[in-house]
Amino acid sequence: EDQVTQSPEALRLQEGESSSLNCSYTVSGLRGLFWYRQDPGKGPEFLFTLYSAGEEKEKERLKATLTKKESFLHITAPKPEDSATYLCAVQAGGSYIPTFGRGTSLIVHP
Amino acid sequence: GAVVSQHPSWVICKSGTSVKIECRSLDFQATTMFWYRQFPKQSLMLMATSNEGSKATYEQGVEKDKFLINHASLTLSTLTVTSAHPEDSSFYICSARGGGEETQYFGPGTRLLVL
Repeated sequence: EDQVTQSPEALRLQEGESSSLNCSYTVSGLRGLFWYRQDPGKGPEFLFTLYSAGEEKEKERLKATLTKKESFLHITAPKPEDSATYLCAVQAGGSYIPTFGRGTSLIVHP
Repeated sequence: GAVVSQHPSWVICKSGTSVKIECRSLDFQATTMFWYRQFPKQSLMLMATSNEGSKATYEQGVEKDKFLINHASLTLSTLTVTSAHPEDSSFYICSARGGGEETQYFGPGTRLLVL
């Protein structure tokens, strides 16, 4: 059974304090790993898709990396507007339905 | 690109009535659409998956006669909550995937309140 585990469940940072969110996965034949940001009362906003180990993608203060077992979402010098829940999902080769983790709730204090 | 819209964004209805939620992919053809339900401070719960022109595939525990899903075109899917009851009150979110991509793009969600 495909599994996706995100850690930590919640993270509080001071503005400017860089950190990383983790998404570990157990799937057969990874076809894609996805990161989303979700603000309260809104649908998830797409951030990145990673396809193979070693791949990295960046967008502003965010950088996503991928290994064979996990992905990290690095947040550099976060700002209060980065506060949100970050969701990770994986698409395995044997399924057309992605599996979502439970998310990491990030709060950045000014 | 890859914009998905939902309508309405929020709806209040009386118990026993039916409510239809529309999900549209605005700039791509969605071969697959997903419907999720989300309770406060919880993660997404997949309700069903639909492919254009085919019957939806429902997740275990989701009543197909209560949550009617139609995916009649490559840009439109609808979710109808039939005979809604207060326990159906929730945040419903659709997503769409197409164009040969694995990435799914989400709509902004619909808040349903059943009185």
